[in-house]
Amino acid sequence: GAGVSQSPSNKVTEKGKDVELRCDPISGHTALYWYRQSLGQGLEFLIYFQGNSAPDKSGLPSDRFSAERTGGSVSTLTIQRTQQEDSAVYLCASSRVGRGNSPLHFGNGTRLTVT
Amino acid sequence: EDQVTQSPEALRLQEGESSSLNCSYTVSGLRGLFWYRQDPGKGPEFLFTLYSAGEEKEKERLKATLTKKESFLHITAPKPEDSATYLCAVQAGGGYNKLIFGAGTRLAVHP
Repeated sequence: GAGVSQSPSNKVTEKGKDVELRCDPISGHTALYWYRQSLGQGLEFLIYFQGNSAPDKSGLPSDRFSAERTGGSVSTLTIQRTQQEDSAVYLCASSRVGRGNSPLHFGNGTRLTVT
Repeated sequence: EDQVTQSPEALRLQEGESSSLNCSYTVSGLRGLFWYRQDPGKGPEFLFTLYSAGEEKEKERLKATLTKKESFLHITAPKPEDSATYLCAVQAGGGYNKLIFGAGTRLAVHP
């Protein structure tokens, strides 16, 4: 079946511009996560959505970052006024349920480069 | 603070040379420990979940084990196609599925 789909796969933007990254989770998965992976670093949690509950935004590094999930499916991560330190791979994952030990299934990420 | 440390950072093996990767963790109320494989340019691919000390899981040449403080990923007679970055993650108590990841071990298997 179809996995987690992310677009674009690569994005180059100028410092100060806004960017939107899209994630289409696996059908039927109610939980959706955004992580950030910098070169040589582990995955850094950003935000989590589960059903209609309020999202857990505890990992967002600054108020320039925001995310929404429409209709319990597609999610968009928006970074405003991008900075060079925002350059990283942004990974989206989904899982079947938000509680319990259901494994996360990841997309292939969006590689963001801020010049 | 919940923390995951993986070692070594990088490992080079000859084809057929067995070895182990280590994942040490400190977490309040471990609910699960996960191993993922990540190939260049790809997202992490799920391998195993371990829930309690003493548990073991196997898949082809890989076997994961868990103690109260660490997990090992044993690779038996590796092949070049096993070359990848292996990521360990823990799920702490708190009621949902957030995973805390280590920085990974980059494995290179040479023929």
